[in-house]
Amino acid sequence: EIVLTQSPDTLSLSPGERATLSCRASQSVSSSYLAWYQQKPGQAPRLLIYGASSRATGIPDRFSGSGSGTDFTLTITRLEPEDFAVYYCQQYGSSPRTFGQGTKVEIK
Amino acid sequence: QVQLVQSGAEVKKPGSSVKVSCKASGGTLNKFAISWVRQAPGQGLEWIGGIVAIFGTTKYAQKFQGRVTITTDQFTSTADMELSSLTSEDTAVYFCASSSGYVIEYFNQWGQGTLVTVSS
Repeated sequence: EIVLTQSPDTLSLSPGERATLSCRASQSVSSSYLAWYQQKPGQAPRLLIYGASSRATGIPDRFSGSGSGTDFTLTITRLEPEDFAVYYCQQYGSSPRTFGQGTKVEIK
Repeated sequence: QVQLVQSGAEVKKPGSSVKVSCKASGGTLNKFAISWVRQAPGQGLEWIGGIVAIFGTTKYAQKFQGRVTITTDQFTSTADMELSSLTSEDTAVYFCASSSGYVIEYFNQWGQGTLVTVSS
């Protein structure tokens, strides 16, 4: 099973700042089959990024994904008030599908 | 776009089973793979397993193997997840989520979630 470790656990930033979230895999994620989700309290997760760097439909271009192998990054270039949430990475290159433990982006 | 609508909250006794349903509203399940993901209170996301609806093939996380069954009914466009031998550690919100195509991959559509509470 591929274990995904996200860092940091919590990121305290102000609106307008840049957020950089990390997701490290315990073994290589084949074909960059890595996705990122945003989850707000009381809501289902929302797909942001798939294939490590492809934005899902309707996702603003301030969200970008990068990386390959075992190291992946989600970047939010300028935080908007609605971006404060918990973010999860997920790999789908091998079974079982696994998620990281999440990074909370909170208002500083 | 197909929406996933889940059944309502459940309260169950330890040792019992629960079945949660997920209906594809406005479309058919045949074009999707459906997975079930759970989230314990204040915790992260955990993949339970999934089914490729058109083939009926299933994959389960080893942790739940033998205790979970995922099925689909193409006539009602509904996917069900049944979890047996419940303990308090199964208390969680259970989400269904779809992957486009015939592979369980990333999840581009989610149900609203169903709270399952296990308590004596």
